[in-house]
Amino acid sequence: AQKITQTQPGMFVQEKEAVTLDCTYDTSDPSYGLFWYKQPSSGEMIFLIYQGSYDQQNATEGRYSLNFQKARKSANLVISASQLGDSAMYFCAMRELNSGNTPLVFGKGTRLSVIA
Amino acid sequence: DGGITQSPKYLFRKEGQNVTLSCEQNLNHDAMYWYRQDPGQGLRLIYYSQIVNDFQKGDIAEGYSVSREKKESFPLTVTSAQKNPTAFYLCASSDTGNRYGYTFGSGTRLTVV
Repeated sequence: AQKITQTQPGMFVQEKEAVTLDCTYDTSDPSYGLFWYKQPSSGEMIFLIYQGSYDQQNATEGRYSLNFQKARKSANLVISASQLGDSAMYFCAMRELNSGNTPLVFGKGTRLSVIA
Repeated sequence: DGGITQSPKYLFRKEGQNVTLSCEQNLNHDAMYWYRQDPGQGLRLIYYSQIVNDFQKGDIAEGYSVSREKKESFPLTVTSAQKNPTAFYLCASSDTGNRYGYTFGSGTRLTVV
């Protein structure tokens, strides 16, 4: 069965510094996708970045990058140059891709607080 | 503009009452999902539907029911059998392209009073 583990309930980072949010996963499907979402206090879920299991390069989207280490089954999110607006909950999620529209499985999340 | 609409944003329920949360999408997505979010628990899957007139239980389906009579709509009923219904409920949809995962609604916060 799929499983996502986020071991950091909360993190603090100084404004303009980089921060890494940890995510490990488990699956027996060789074809899967990994996702990161941001949830501000408003509750909306904002898609940040996607990494496919067969993608050769680590995904990047602006200030977000995904440090994908397939052998270690880890998919850490790196946020560069943190901003006050980055303060939010962050969720790692995965989906097995060999079975159509299978549901995303989420981790418990990490609450990031950016300090001025 | 295409998207998912959840209503209402806030909902109050008396103990012992059933209540229905609405979720409507105009994205022509085949699949729809309901998640429950509690503090420190992340998002847990309640029910999902990959096609009209078909749905499957998720990890925490007890005390909930759904229907999928139309492609656009996937309402969730929280029944009196759900012992601890106070939570934030998120609806989502997806199509066969997996790259961007889901489109989410803005959520409904249910409180039992």
